[in-house]
Amino acid sequence: GQNIDQPTEMTATEGAIVQINCTYQTSGFNGLFWYQQHAGEAPTFLSYNVLDGLEEKGRFSSFLSRSKGYSYLLLKELQMKDSASYLCAVEGNTPLVFGKGTRLSVIA
Amino acid sequence: DSGVTQTPKHLITATGQRVTLRCSPRSGDLSVYWYQQSLDQGLQFLIQYYNGEERAKGNILERFSAQQFPDLHSELNLSSLELGDSALYFCASSHNVLHQGVAQYFGPGTRLTVL
Repeated sequence: GQNIDQPTEMTATEGAIVQINCTYQTSGFNGLFWYQQHAGEAPTFLSYNVLDGLEEKGRFSSFLSRSKGYSYLLLKELQMKDSASYLCAVEGNTPLVFGKGTRLSVIA
Repeated sequence: DSGVTQTPKHLITATGQRVTLRCSPRSGDLSVYWYQQSLDQGLQFLIQYYNGEERAKGNILERFSAQQFPDLHSELNLSSLELGDSALYFCASSHNVLHQGVAQYFGPGTRLTVL
């Protein structure tokens, strides 16, 4: 079967750093994606990892460990506009399988 | 703006009815994907088309069907609607057909309410 787990909700303070974890068990693996989704809006692509290690993109970084079936999204210098859901998605033998998302609230 | 368009934005209908949702992919993208998002289930993959042909099927009900036309736009048909079909329906597009790490770009979605 296919299973992707993420925490349901997280809260962090403006200006801080937050790490959102994702663990997965899927049939096949062709890469892991992170998407950001504001309430009622479309998911937008943030990052893609296929090899182990850290990919950095401005304030956002994503890490992958294939042997552990684990990824995290790191958000630095948090801003109020970062309040959103963050979706972990794995591409395996089927198109993307999404986790249920982590709702991040950034507070002043 | 992702470049993917979806119409209509909102749709309110009654149980038992049939509706059609429309999607136009980004210019140059050949793959179209349909997803259903409800509060308790998250984003669920329904079906993928590439250049007019069905390529992958997810948890799509038999009451639902889709097609992709020669101009690459796609339509999702939902029939014999039930209250539980109320959800956000997203279309996404990408350039590739295979699962090769190419990002999908999502349209703004159609919010379907079944009364």
